[in-house]
Amino acid sequence: KAGVTQTPRYLIKTRGQQVTLSCSPISGHRSVSWYQQTPGQGLQFLFEYFSETQRNKGNFPGRFSGRQFSNSRSEMNVSTLELGDSALYLCASSLMSGSSNEQFFGPGTRLTVL
Amino acid sequence: TQLLEQSPQFLSIQEGENLTVYCNSSSVFSSLQWYRQEPGEGPVLLVTVVTGGEVKKLKRLTFQFGDARKDSSLHITAAQPGDTGLYLCADVGGSQGNLIFGKGTKLSVKP
Repeated sequence: KAGVTQTPRYLIKTRGQQVTLSCSPISGHRSVSWYQQTPGQGLQFLFEYFSETQRNKGNFPGRFSGRQFSNSRSEMNVSTLELGDSALYLCASSLMSGSSNEQFFGPGTRLTVL
Repeated sequence: TQLLEQSPQFLSIQEGENLTVYCNSSSVFSSLQWYRQEPGEGPVLLVTVVTGGEVKKLKRLTFQFGDARKDSSLHITAAQPGDTGLYLCADVGGSQGNLIFGKGTKLSVKP
């Protein structure tokens, strides 16, 4: 069974630009969560989507947004990029919503903001 | 806000040595998960512990959950280079239904 895939794997942008990252969950999984990983803060929860609806949201500014499509694929968007947005963005899929369901992580998208 | 502290931050050892890493929480865990993240990959779940005092073994890895469910340890026996990676602990009980992670212990096992 194919794992979680994320595209692109690497991305370089400049301040002020916007970016869209994509996540394809494991077949049959309906929940997708997004995390930001930085050396200073570790992994921090961004948001979770289940059946095309945002179920939960972490403590990030409104520049960070996401959506989920009917095939469970998810995208996250960051507008007006700042240097501090440089990070590894991970998505995780699970069968159902909620952290008690085992989450399977993708390899991440490494975003560098110059 | 729950805080998870992991120690040590970095650990560099020779192949064959034993090691223990720790995870402490500012509040009681709902249940605790340990992950390993290898360079260029996402975290992979190793184990979930739920009951205070629980001990689980996964080949050369032994996971202990404190009686008060506020701390946990991961012991690796006879470490191998393939054990190299970032070891993360996480609480399953985030208020938004999310995982709350510690910052991890970066382990390097040299041949």
